[in-house]
Amino acid sequence: DQQVKQNSPSLSVQEGRISILNCDYTNSMFDYFLWYKKYPAEGPTFLISISSIKDKNEDGRFTVFLNKSAKHLSLHIVPSQPGDSAVYFCAAKGRGSTLGRLYFGRGTQLTVWP
Amino acid sequence: DVKVTQSSRYLVKRTGEKVFLECVQDMDHENMFWYRQDPGLGLRLIYFSYDVKMKEKGDIPEGYSVSREKKERFSLILESASTNQTSMYLCASSTGTSVDTQYFGPGTRLTVL
Repeated sequence: DQQVKQNSPSLSVQEGRISILNCDYTNSMFDYFLWYKKYPAEGPTFLISISSIKDKNEDGRFTVFLNKSAKHLSLHIVPSQPGDSAVYFCAAKGRGSTLGRLYFGRGTQLTVWP
Repeated sequence: DVKVTQSSRYLVKRTGEKVFLECVQDMDHENMFWYRQDPGLGLRLIYFSYDVKMKEKGDIPEGYSVSREKKERFSLILESASTNQTSMYLCASSTGTSVDTQYFGPGTRLTVL
């Protein structure tokens, strides 16, 4: 049973607009959340993370919001650029885990068109 | 700079062959991971290792084994390759702290004929 879910397999956005990618989780023991970006034929690269003690983390055009009560997080990209077109994976980690295991969602394919 | 390398970018093997996928990290990381990525299924964890000679099964270990004889190297072994093991294989490593991230290699696209 998936503990991290990305219910939208794809999202299409016009360049310059906001992209919002969503992620839900079921395990209340998760306390650290990450977003990865993956281009075809490359490994995923880390984008941004957030700890459960925060509800927002911002890095340039990328902002992640965490709603613990709803067990929901979202990634906002503003403004969206064609180079942002990629698969975005949401991931979560258990409280205090030093084994480093991440639980991944199935990904959302973002397409940014001119 | 963080570096995870995988021995091959593309590999073609025959059904029944024994296949070795190698991964090396130069960051002195404690933890290493093997995933496979398939369309619509995301990243699925096969095996991971938190120390030399230590391993843990992930979500889909069947048909795979692993070896970690040295800290920097983590090998994935397909004992007898089958067509349903055609996939993109991704290796990752992490430090083992509670807020660390995983760093991924470029991936190996394995095709089993």
